[in-house]
Amino acid sequence: EVQLVETGGGLIQPGGSLRLSCAASGFTVSSNYMSWVRQAPGKGLEWVSVIYSGGSTYYADSVKGRFTISRDNSKNTLYLQMNSLRAEDTAVYYCAKVPYDSSGYDTYFDLWGRGTLVTVSS
Amino acid sequence: EIVLTQSPATLSLSPGERATLSCRASQSVSSYLAWYQQKPGQAPRLLIYDASNRATGIPARFSGSGSGTDFTLTISSLEPEDFAVYYCQQRSNWPPQYTFGQGTKLEIK
Repeated sequence: EVQLVETGGGLIQPGGSLRLSCAASGFTVSSNYMSWVRQAPGKGLEWVSVIYSGGSTYYADSVKGRFTISRDNSKNTLYLQMNSLRAEDTAVYYCAKVPYDSSGYDTYFDLWGRGTLVTVSS
Repeated sequence: EIVLTQSPATLSLSPGERATLSCRASQSVSSYLAWYQQKPGQAPRLLIYDASNRATGIPARFSGSGSGTDFTLTISSLEPEDFAVYYCQQRSNWPPQYTFGQGTKLEIK
């Protein structure tokens, strides 16, 4: 079965760090583009970061310099290292697969995990 | 940054009725627009990609149309399970930045 399972969320104090994991099954993370999208409580969706199959990474301005996306090919797992956390980072974090066409261009998210909740509070 | 504006914010309809949801982009996104459905406590689910292509397993009552800056998601005859929040989404050309509309809540009248 093709699926994504996020883990690693929890309660963390402002200024702290947390690493989220997203274990994939049914497909190979390293051969795909993968992304993180978050949703603050009662709010809409906000894209966070993407990693391309070649290893290039991109971030939303709101997390640039604080968050790092990476993957472990041997574990078929995607990660999001979150440092200098702020109250406004409180959200459910989803990982998502990003399909791309023959030219390598990607435009949408076709598979989502169930998400993991991160709460930043003292 | 391309901004997506969805309307209406809330749509109240009855099962069996036709639903029309709108998404307007602040500049042209060609046909690179997707639609997602999200139910409470669940992850978003891809419905439509590239403006008009239904994702795998999506019922034919869901259809998408539009190009450039104006897009529409139509649900031809609402089923009870269709009441949810719907988001549109696009990706800017370079650097890649993905943005979502603020959502339309489709509620039972």
